[in-house]
Amino acid sequence: EDQVTQSPEALRLQEGESSSLNCSYTVSGLRGLFWYRQDPGKGPEFLFTLYSAGEEKEKERLKATLTKKESFLHITAPKPEDSATYLCAVQGDSSYKLIFGSGTRLLVRP
Amino acid sequence: EAQVTQNPRYLITVTGKKLTVTCSQNMNHEYMSWYRQDPGLGLRQIYYSMNVEVTDKGDVPEGYKVSRKEKRNFPLILESPSPNQTSLYFCASSLPPTPGNEQFFGPGTRLTVL
Repeated sequence: EDQVTQSPEALRLQEGESSSLNCSYTVSGLRGLFWYRQDPGKGPEFLFTLYSAGEEKEKERLKATLTKKESFLHITAPKPEDSATYLCAVQGDSSYKLIFGSGTRLLVRP
Repeated sequence: EAQVTQNPRYLITVTGKKLTVTCSQNMNHEYMSWYRQDPGLGLRQIYYSMNVEVTDKGDVPEGYKVSRKEKRNFPLILESPSPNQTSLYFCASSLPPTPGNEQFFGPGTRLTVL
């Protein structure tokens, strides 16, 4: 059964304090791994898609990496506006379902 | 403006009273999907549709129905709502869900079933 586990559940950082969020997954043939950002009261907003182990993608202070078992979202020198819930999702090659993790709530304090 | 719209945004109803949540997108997307989001459980897919007249079950389809008669619309139907369907619901759309095609999410519908 396809499964996604995100850790930690919540993370508090000081502004400028870099850290990483983890997404561990189990899927029978990875079609794609997705990262989304969700602000309170809003729908998720797309960040990245990763396809294969070794791949990396960057966007401003965010960098996503992928191995065969997990993905990391690295946040470099975060700012308070980076505070949000970050969601990871996978799509296996057996169907077109998307399986989401329960997310990491990030709070960046000034 | 490219967007996914949902109506209503908030709904309080009673057990057993049939309801429909509408979803519409203006991006000519083939793929549409419904999710529910509950604290600690994350987003769970209810149903998805690859194109008009093509729908399939997600992980939590029990108690829900969908239809896709037009490309732009994908309503979610609760024939006999129960309190365990109290949740935050999101509709999403994308081009065919091959890797790289991001999903666009609607603003959400907060449903309370008493």
